[in-house]
Amino acid sequence: QVQLQESGPGLVRPSETLSLTCTVSGGSFSTNYWSWMRQSPGKGLEWIGHIFHSGSATYSPSLKSRVTISVDTTNNQFSLRLNSVTAADTAVYFCARWSSVNRGSAHWYFDIWGRGILVTVSS
Amino acid sequence: DIQMTQSPSSLSASVGDRVTITCRASQNINNYLNWYQQKPGKAPNLLIYAASILQSGVPSGFSGSGSGTEFTLTISSLQPEDLATYYCQQSYTSPWTFGQGTKVEFK
Repeated sequence: QVQLQESGPGLVRPSETLSLTCTVSGGSFSTNYWSWMRQSPGKGLEWIGHIFHSGSATYSPSLKSRVTISVDTTNNQFSLRLNSVTAADTAVYFCARWSSVNRGSAHWYFDIWGRGILVTVSS
Repeated sequence: DIQMTQSPSSLSASVGDRVTITCRASQNINNYLNWYQQKPGKAPNLLIYAASILQSGVPSGFSGSGSGTEFTLTISSLQPEDLATYYCQQSYTSPWTFGQGTKVEFK
């Protein structure tokens, strides 16, 4: 059974870079998209971006200028970097699998999620 | 971006009640609509995709309907374990967007 686990610092200083890693275990890392999302009281659930196992990434336009998502297929990991953070970036960050019921389906969904990691931006 | 609006924002119901949550999209999304359940302190869990297809392992008491811009999630008989916040999410076009959530509480 596929499991995801986020890791990284829980506290980041304003103007610095938030860096998180998601480790995928128990299943295939290939043929899937891997996503980052965040949840804060003020903005609810927000999709940040996703990456295919090949390394092709797509980002939310609202965060695109500050976000980089990368993949490490050797270790079945993908990572998030968000630079120039402010207090507004304080949130629980989730990694998740963006998947579909089969290759031919047009319907995609977030079917497996990590437990989430709280990141606080504060000096 | 496609805006997703849920109503109500919260509701109180009793065990055994039929509960309906509505989700409206700011434009036509056909049936590209997913529903998630999030319990306190946990990650969201996929309930329904393609507006009406139950994800494997989800109890049959959950159902979804709708197309175009208006969708509903129905819990046929509310159970104690259904205490949670429910989110809709459109999968029609990127950026994928969520509703603000509907919190289900017990009377």
